[in-house]
Amino acid sequence: GQSLEQPSEVTAVEGAIVQINCTYQTSGFYGLSWYQQHDGGAPTFLSYNALDGLEETGRFSSFLSRSDSYGYLLLQELQMKDSASYFCAVRLMDSNYQLIWGAGTKLIIKP
Amino acid sequence: GAGVSQSPSNKVTEKGKDVELRCDPISGHTALYWYRQSLGQGLEFLIYFQGNSAPDKSGLPSDRFSAERTGGSVSTLTIQRTQQEDSAVYLCASSLSGTGGTGELFFGEGSRLTVL
Repeated sequence: GQSLEQPSEVTAVEGAIVQINCTYQTSGFYGLSWYQQHDGGAPTFLSYNALDGLEETGRFSSFLSRSDSYGYLLLQELQMKDSASYFCAVRLMDSNYQLIWGAGTKLIIKP
Repeated sequence: GAGVSQSPSNKVTEKGKDVELRCDPISGHTALYWYRQSLGQGLEFLIYFQGNSAPDKSGLPSDRFSAERTGGSVSTLTIQRTQQEDSAVYLCASSLSGTGGTGELFFGEGSRLTVL
């Protein structure tokens, strides 16, 4: 079956760097997306990798390696407001609307 | 509207009652999704609309769940004879199209349903 695997929880210190991994077993897909969701809030789009390599957006970067079936979200200079859940998702080619979602990683940031 | 709007934001109902949840997507967005999220869990896909048609209803948990979309805009998710296991946050999302680009989904704040 199609699946994306993420760690359930990651803990880091304010000001540090943290990497949230996403490994997948899927058929062909268009790209890997990342969403952020604060407790009680709506998921919001963070980044998208259509091609292999690193995409940088401010303090956040996202990486994709299709040959390794692997991607990650990198958060730098962590701030307390980055405490949230992070979801990876892919859009399958054989179902042009369907997104497959990871179960989410809860990021806990300590002062 | 400026964003995806969902109503009600909170709904408490008694077991066995019917509920209707409404989603008003971003104007011009043809694709609309309903998801369900239990506390601390991931997103459970329910149904997808492209325009007014629903090519994929495979995620609806039972025949107590139904959804419609009219005028390519507002969508209503109806749960009949609610059960306690239906308690969750129901999220609606819209996007410009089901294909192409980043496929970014814009989510509403959700409707929190509690079935007593």
